[in-house]
Amino acid sequence: NAGVTQTPKFQVLKTGQSMTLQCAQDMNHNSMYWYRQDPGMGLRLIYYSASEGTTDKGEVPNGYNVSRLNKREFSLRLESAAPSQTSVYFCASSERSGRAEFFGPGTRLTVL
Amino acid sequence: QKEVEQNSGPLSVPEGAIASLNCTYSDRVSQSFFWYRQYSGKSPELIMSIYSNGDKEDGRFTAQLNKASQYVSLLIRDSQPSDSATYLCAVNIPTGNQFYFGTGTSLTVIP
Repeated sequence: NAGVTQTPKFQVLKTGQSMTLQCAQDMNHNSMYWYRQDPGMGLRLIYYSASEGTTDKGEVPNGYNVSRLNKREFSLRLESAAPSQTSVYFCASSERSGRAEFFGPGTRLTVL
Repeated sequence: QKEVEQNSGPLSVPEGAIASLNCTYSDRVSQSFFWYRQYSGKSPELIMSIYSNGDKEDGRFTAQLNKASQYVSLLIRDSQPSDSATYLCAVNIPTGNQFYFGTGTSLTVIP
């Protein structure tokens, strides 16, 4: 039982490049979330998926897209990376919507 | 005004003392409140949830909720050096199903 897994753990991009952050959970949870964490800003919700087949914007969705591929997987895509997207990205899941119970280990992304 | 406010600290307490962490929230319709612990370089870990006014105890941790005053607090009794971490408060906003975090309070327990 791995919980919530994220890949990659670290990534360096150049401005304008694209990439997809992968997240998977093996707890059969309905809800999944993507957060970014910046110093002094706390965790900010980018997108969430209350259940398979649905996605909704959070506080800071601009510059990102998501796909809830199936119940297990929820990916986050940066189409054209910007230095302002340098951050630590966390994926989370929960059985019920409206809370993030289990977090993945995070992806540390640097955009040059 | 931010949805969730926390004093960023740092808060320092001696080993064995009670650490008190506070959080205020702005939306009166909030129903669910959560505390997370985050060690440096690690991901957040859910440690407490509280839904009703009053106190909820779990081992050395007590969460307190006062909906009239819109604050939630976390008490850590008999603080240990291993409790040194950043503590994040989070609030569920039912409208829109949003879930907001505060910026966290850094706690250091001094041996």
